[in-house]
Amino acid sequence: GAGVSQSPSNKVTEKGKDVELRCDPISGHTALYWYRQSLGQGLEFLIYFQGNSAPDKSGLPSDRFSAERTGGSVSTLTIQRTQQEDSAVYLCASSSNRASSGNTIYFGEGSWLTVV
Amino acid sequence: TQLLKQSPQFLSIQEGENLTVYCNSSSVFSSLQWYRQEPGEGPVLLVTVVTGGEVKKLKRLTFQFGDARKDSSLHITAAQPGDTGLYLCAGVDTGFQKLVFGTGTRLLVSP
Repeated sequence: GAGVSQSPSNKVTEKGKDVELRCDPISGHTALYWYRQSLGQGLEFLIYFQGNSAPDKSGLPSDRFSAERTGGSVSTLTIQRTQQEDSAVYLCASSSNRASSGNTIYFGEGSWLTVV
Repeated sequence: TQLLKQSPQFLSIQEGENLTVYCNSSSVFSSLQWYRQEPGEGPVLLVTVVTGGEVKKLKRLTFQFGDARKDSSLHITAAQPGDTGLYLCAGVDTGFQKLVFGTGTRLLVSP
């Protein structure tokens, strides 16, 4: 597709269940980012991929959160044993290179997760 | 932890008014970006400022990067209802190649 695609767009899950969120970046983009946004707030950095490797996982809030990227393309963010405080919009973004190279970062529309 | 604080947090004005949003940090960034986000969508890049003291204009929007590259401002002249949205500043972290986002400013422009 032309833009960053995320799925599902909305997910309601019960506390304690695992969820997987998928991100399909713009074709050819080597850098991929996951952010979390609570209602109306700024974005909280979770993890950054350059190709398939994740040089910066510093933002993952707990060991219940993990992410992988395969084939330098699609990424999956997994949240295990979800808690109510995990409820947020999870945004994925990609760019053709690292942010400091001045390349524009393009965001997807996000996956809205609600834990009940 | 790097923090970017924006002020005001919320701004409600009438069409035609001017406004300024501030983005402040104790950290130095290699560059700073401003985004606008509408409900149900991801943030969209408005501008990138790179040089300390730099001023960029985008129609009615004027962006300034502080001399020390720690702060920035966004000034909107003659605001219009179409300017309504969440404005986010973001600093480029040279160490980890990621964007550090500000706390956000929600702007509501009424006709």
